[in-house]
Amino acid sequence: NAGVTQTPKFQVLKTGQSMTLQCAQDMNHEYMSWYRQDPGMGLRLIHYSVGAGITDQGEVPNGYNVSRSTTEDFPLRLLSAAPSQTSVYFCASSGGRPSYNEQFFGPGTRLTVL
Amino acid sequence: SQQGEEDPQALSIQEGENATMNCSYKTSINNLQWYRQNSGRGLVHLILIRSNEREKHSGRLRVTLDTSKKSSSLLITASRAADTASYFCATGAPGGTSYGKLTFGQGTILTVHP
Repeated sequence: NAGVTQTPKFQVLKTGQSMTLQCAQDMNHEYMSWYRQDPGMGLRLIHYSVGAGITDQGEVPNGYNVSRSTTEDFPLRLLSAAPSQTSVYFCASSGGRPSYNEQFFGPGTRLTVL
Repeated sequence: SQQGEEDPQALSIQEGENATMNCSYKTSINNLQWYRQNSGRGLVHLILIRSNEREKHSGRLRVTLDTSKKSSSLLITASRAADTASYFCATGAPGGTSYGKLTFGQGTILTVHP
């Protein structure tokens, strides 16, 4: 199993550009999440999904959009990039037995917005 | 806002010594988890303790949970240079729809000197 994969690994955007960060998991997990990590801080939840077709906002959703059309994929869209969105983005999934709570993380996407 | 506050922010020890990290949180939880992050990498799940448990062991890791004080501690015994990483606590809220969302602390940076 590849686990949780994220693309791209690195991305540089100009202010106002849009882009989609890709996330896929091959563990048939129900739950998927997007977090951002800023220097010296823990992770903050952006959006999450409890199953295909169901998404909800986390702590810092503004400026981001998500959809979940399949169990495997959970893309994160930046609608109009701003310098404040410079961060490392992590996708995670959970839902496997025996623990539905343990999250598996992807390697991250390092995004710089100029 | 961050649910967890971790203490200390940074810890530097010699190989073979024990490392203790503490985490406090604010609201009711279903479970508390600890994750490790090596520099530039994604997070790796270490251990999960449920709200009705007081202590849990996994290899060289020992986690305690005191729900009356809303606090947890992670003890790494006989530390090794390879344990050098950032350690984060994360809490899961009660309710099945919370499986996809964790609230992270700001982390403790552990450095183990050979």
